[in-house]
Amino acid sequence: SQQGEEDPQALSIQEGENATMNCSYKTSINNLQWYRQNSGRGLVHLILIRSNEREKHSGRLRVTLDTSKKSSSLLITASRAADTASYFCATDADDYKLSFGAGTTVTVRA
Amino acid sequence: NAGVTQTPKFQVLKTGQSMTLQCAQDMNHEYMSWYRQDPGMGLRLIHYSVGAGITDQGEVPNGYNVSRSTTEDFPLRLLSAAPSQTSVYFCASSYSSHGSYEQYFGPGTRLTVT
Repeated sequence: SQQGEEDPQALSIQEGENATMNCSYKTSINNLQWYRQNSGRGLVHLILIRSNEREKHSGRLRVTLDTSKKSSSLLITASRAADTASYFCATDADDYKLSFGAGTTVTVRA
Repeated sequence: NAGVTQTPKFQVLKTGQSMTLQCAQDMNHEYMSWYRQDPGMGLRLIHYSVGAGITDQGEVPNGYNVSRSTTEDFPLRLLSAAPSQTSVYFCASSYSSHGSYEQYFGPGTRLTVT
């Protein structure tokens, strides 16, 4: 069964705006990861946050993790057309095995 | 490095046929996995391997077999294809880094079963 659940399912923003998406999960985790998938391609790892971390940055990406609420958010700042993709959170409650959510589809309009 | 490669990119099968999806990685990763991706459902784990000679079932293993005779290769076998196996299949590899497992994905195989 899927552990993570992203919200919203879809998001449409103007170039230059920020995009925020959320992930909720059900059981305790060791780490939470975010992946991006461009249309017709495989997933690409974006960022990993450990259960003892609250916030992490990578370039224009900012991830937060609230283990008390079992939730995470991914913020993409100053979005570009190239950010148009689906974004997935993945949790590793069971060691190596990752559990993925259904994803958030982000469309960045020029 | 080629990373994770998958063949074929596309495949059409008739119900009852069998075939093998190929996956190879050149990063010397211990861990390899097969996922299927269906619309609106994210990725679901089919089978995985923690090293050569060791495989285990994931969330949706029925109708699929795997083997891992080398570190590099992890083929997925469909025993008797069914329309419910129409999906996009992704292979991934990873290694353990301080208890975390970032996964590297192949480009996928789009399979249609008629």
